[in-house]
Amino acid sequence: AQTVTQSQPEMSVQEAETVTLSCTYDTSESDYYLFWYKQPPSRQMILVIRQEAYKQQNATENRFSVNFQKAAKSFSLKISDSQLGDAAMYFCAYRSEETSGSRLTFGEGTQLTVNP
Amino acid sequence: NAGVTQTPKFQVLKTGQSMTLQCAQDMNHNSMYWYRQDPGMGLRLIYYSASEGTTDKGEVPNGYNVSRLNKREFSLRLESAAPSQTSVYFCASSERLAGQYLYEQYFGPGTRLTVT
Repeated sequence: AQTVTQSQPEMSVQEAETVTLSCTYDTSESDYYLFWYKQPPSRQMILVIRQEAYKQQNATENRFSVNFQKAAKSFSLKISDSQLGDAAMYFCAYRSEETSGSRLTFGEGTQLTVNP
Repeated sequence: NAGVTQTPKFQVLKTGQSMTLQCAQDMNHNSMYWYRQDPGMGLRLIYYSASEGTTDKGEVPNGYNVSRLNKREFSLRLESAAPSQTSVYFCASSERLAGQYLYEQYFGPGTRLTVT
């Protein structure tokens, strides 16, 4: 079974600065997807960014980018120019392409605080 | 286009009571999921339905039953609620096309359930 680990329960960053959230995963599969979801106080789960394992290029979405290290099974999220609205719980998630149902396995989450 | 909707948003039950959480999606997705979110544990899969007419157990199915009523609706039933089932419950859906799952899952707003 796959596991996802987020070793930072809490992180903080000053507004306009850069922060990196860590995620590691364990799998024996070669084909999979990785995701970062954001959960603000409203509880809504919002997709931030996704990475296909077969792609070597790191995904980027505006101020959000990832550092995907397949051999190390590491998938960190970098938030540049942090904004107050970035404050939320962030979840790393793994999705297998080799099992039915497209199930997601989530990490424990990292609570991000943005200080003005 | 409402996406994924869940009812109710909040519910308080006494131990031993039963209830059904409702979920509906209007995106014509084939696959639907039920997760629970507990503090410090991320989201864990309870049950999922890869397509209409099929359901499968996830990571934590004990104490729950599901029904895929039609392509739009996927309900979660607690037959005899226990305090350990106090949690936030999320429904999600995703698309599958020609055997390939398309990217992300879309989540509903969640149901906060308290069992006393």
